[in-house]
Amino acid sequence: NAGVTQTPKFQVLKTGQSMTLQCAQDMNHEYMSWYRQDPGMGLRLIHYSVGAGITDQGEVPNGYNVSRSTTEDFPLRLLSAAPSQTSVYFCASTGTGGTDTQYFGPGTRLTVL
Amino acid sequence: GENVEQHPSTLSVQEGDSAVIKCTYSDSASNYFPWYKQELGKGPQLIIDIRSNVGEKKDQRIAVTLNKTAKHFSLHITETQPEDSAVYFCAASIRGGGNQFYFGTGTSLTVIP
Repeated sequence: NAGVTQTPKFQVLKTGQSMTLQCAQDMNHEYMSWYRQDPGMGLRLIHYSVGAGITDQGEVPNGYNVSRSTTEDFPLRLLSAAPSQTSVYFCASTGTGGTDTQYFGPGTRLTVL
Repeated sequence: GENVEQHPSTLSVQEGDSAVIKCTYSDSASNYFPWYKQELGKGPQLIIDIRSNVGEKKDQRIAVTLNKTAKHFSLHITETQPEDSAVYFCAASIRGGGNQFYFGTGTSLTVIP
């Protein structure tokens, strides 16, 4: 098992550009989430999904879109990048059926100029 | 929504001493409390968790205690080693309530050899 994978590892964007952060898991987990991590603020939930075709907003959803067409993939789209979106982004997946262990990917470090 | 507070933000201990990190939560419906360790450049990794029907859980040098009445939980690391140096995050969630984890702001632990 590769676990949770994220691409790219690093990305630099200019203000107004769009891009998609990729996330995939091979553990057949139903639950997947996107977090952003900023200094002194811990991890904040952007969007999450409880299964294919179902997504919902977290604490800080503005400026981001998600979709979940398959169980394995959960991409995060930045529609028009802003400097305030400079952050480290983590994707996570959680198993169901008796366990709540959340597995995180290695992260994407995004800089918006 | 849930609010998780974590203290201290930084902690330095001598090798072999104990380290304690404390968290409080606000939502009495939260019933699952994981702790994560994050090493530089990596995603958070679960190290121990506790559910609300248990007051204490131990795994070798790591223990977690939970006081539901006071809504606080703590991580205890005994006989600290240099490899324990990392950032530690607490979180709160409602088990079976979807996929919303609320994180503390993190504690940077340094173990001095």
